[in-house]
Amino acid sequence: SQQGEEDPQALSIQEGENATMNCSYKTSINNLQWYRQNSGRGLVHLILIRSNEREKHSGRLRVTLDTSKKSSSLLITASRAADTASYFCATSANAGGTSYGKLTFGQGTILTVHP
Amino acid sequence: SAVISQKPSRDICQRGTSLTIQCQVDSQVTMMFWYRQQPGQSLTLIATANQGSEATYESGFVIDKFPISRPNLTFSTLTVSNMSPEDSSIYLCSSRAGRSSYNEQFFGPGTRLTVL
Repeated sequence: SQQGEEDPQALSIQEGENATMNCSYKTSINNLQWYRQNSGRGLVHLILIRSNEREKHSGRLRVTLDTSKKSSSLLITASRAADTASYFCATSANAGGTSYGKLTFGQGTILTVHP
Repeated sequence: SAVISQKPSRDICQRGTSLTIQCQVDSQVTMMFWYRQQPGQSLTLIATANQGSEATYESGFVIDKFPISRPNLTFSTLTVSNMSPEDSSIYLCSSRAGRSSYNEQFFGPGTRLTVL
């Protein structure tokens, strides 16, 4: 079952603006990963944040994780038209047990960046 | 990062037929996974492909419908059997880059299946 909720479901912004997407989950996690998907193609891995990390950066991406609130956010700064895509968060349960290695995906946010 | 390829990239099939999707990873990996993405939806895990043993299926997915092979540490196949239009989806294979639970998980480009 899907344990992740993402909001907003859709986000439309102008080039140069920042885009923030949020993800919430329900159970304890080992890590959380963010992916991008262009037009129903394969998933591109963006960033992984461990459960003991609070913030991580990669280029124009900034990810935060609040395990007390079971939530994460993805910030894309200075957005470009090429950032137009669907963005998904995916959680991995704690190591061990039958859930090891499996990802549970959020519903995704459709981001449109207008030139 | 692991490089994952899938074949075919897309196919259009008739109801009642079967399609086998191949997944190749450029390095040996312990765990491989198969996901389904129905139109407009998020990804759902079908099964974990285990090398040397039977695949482990998630609730709602059965071996008769989605038989999986894992003959070695770099390759797996997923068959969608006795297809119906409801099977029209993108099927993606995935693996983790290393043994650590903190390693990133990468995906193949997906196979877009349309069943008429």
